Amino acid sequence: NAGVMQNPRHLVRRRGQEARLRCSPMKGHSHVYWYRQLPEEGLKFMVYLQKENIIDESGMPKERFSAEFPKEGPSILRIQQVVRGDSAAYFCASSRQDQPQHFGDGTRLSIL
Amino acid sequence: AQKVTQAQTEISVVEKEDVTLDCVYETRDTTYYLFWYKQPPSGELVFLIRRNSFDEQNEISGRYSWNFQKSTSSFNFTITASQVVDSAVYFCALSEARGNTGKLIFGQGTTLQVKP
Repeated sequence: NAGVMQNPRHLVRRRGQEARLRCSPMKGHSHVYWYRQLPEEGLKFMVYLQKENIIDESGMPKERFSAEFPKEGPSILRIQQVVRGDSAAYFCASSRQDQPQHFGDGTRLSIL
Repeated sequence: AQKVTQAQTEISVVEKEDVTLDCVYETRDTTYYLFWYKQPPSGELVFLIRRNSFDEQNEISGRYSWNFQKSTSSFNFTITASQVVDSAVYFCALSEARGNTGKLIFGQGTTLQVKP
């Protein structure tokens, strides 16, 4: 039962380091979404990608954050020079065209 | 702009009680989808249901039922005979049905605690 796979499950970084979060979509899913959940809050959309293309990045912070979904391999959410405020749970979801999104277990990012 | 409001922050019930989680949404789109997701204490997000804006039929799945009313822009979720395993945070969400983006707009979530 290969659902959406995210790794690592937990990630600890010091301020100023880089964080790389990986997401392998479900088999047959070509749409990938990233969401962020701050403590005690709901999920906020960050970015929507299809293979090799960013379709909607309206929720991405303007600086330090980037995402990719290469032709081969997982989608990567990259956060450069992390700050304390980046501490959150980051969820990836995938779907087929016009189908519901299915979520991974999330990556809990903690910044020391 | 699209918005989802879950006015109930926390609900506590005793096992076997029925409980309804409220969801009110705002959108200018005529075609849209509504969703419910469950986030148990382990943290993952579990898809429960998706409804199309053209389909106002109520849906029942076991102990779960959903009431979609366009007239009041509501999509409420009822759990019948609640169980301790239903304890979780429940999120209502909205997305547009047309266009390239299927991004979900989530409500703040309702924390349901079911006591034995």
